[in-house]
Amino acid sequence: EAAVTQSPRNKVTVTGGNVTLSCRQTNSHNYMYWYRQDTGHGLRLIHYSYGAGNLQIGDVPDGYKATRTTQEDFFLLLELASPSQTSLYFCASREFSQNTLYFGAGTRLSVL
Amino acid sequence: QQKVQQSPESLIVPEGGMASLNCTSSDRNVDYFWWYRQHSGKSPKMLMSIFSNGEKEEGRFTVHLNKASLHTSLHIRDSQPSDSALYLCAARGNTGNYKYVFGAGTRLKVIA
Repeated sequence: EAAVTQSPRNKVTVTGGNVTLSCRQTNSHNYMYWYRQDTGHGLRLIHYSYGAGNLQIGDVPDGYKATRTTQEDFFLLLELASPSQTSLYFCASREFSQNTLYFGAGTRLSVL
Repeated sequence: QQKVQQSPESLIVPEGGMASLNCTSSDRNVDYFWWYRQHSGKSPKMLMSIFSNGEKEEGRFTVHLNKASLHTSLHIRDSQPSDSALYLCAARGNTGNYKYVFGAGTRLKVIA
């Protein structure tokens, strides 16, 4: 099974703080995704990418930047964190020719 | 509003009973559907996929798809306490770069 590693697993920051969430996949998958999960909303797509240097806008991108530096690494950046960004964040990846998303273990972010 | 709507929000079934979960896309630009299962404190994992009209069975799990109405359903027979989880429906957009959009989920509890 595909390995997707997220770090940190937990993060607490203050309003206005700067946060970077990291995601690495070791299966050379083309696509990588960032979702946030909140009760009552399921998984909402923030940004995604189909390769190094590529970035696609998801459904809830406001307040988030993302960067895909290599095939393996996808970062989510919150430059001015707000309490509304308190959430559980999942990274996922998939191979171009396959349709299954493989998820990391998640990062729980609290913005105080 | 979610473009992928799931019902019911929560469901309680007795052990050995049948659980039926529903999912509809209000976005007509989707083609494929998946069901993911997320146990408490874990990340989502793909349970079943369906791409063609009709029915697909895998063990105790059966999925149906009606592409004309963009409706899929998941049925779990002989439900077990280990089936207690959040069930997420996902749909893939068939334009652009194939966004994967999730519904809010159905929380299933199987009681012994």
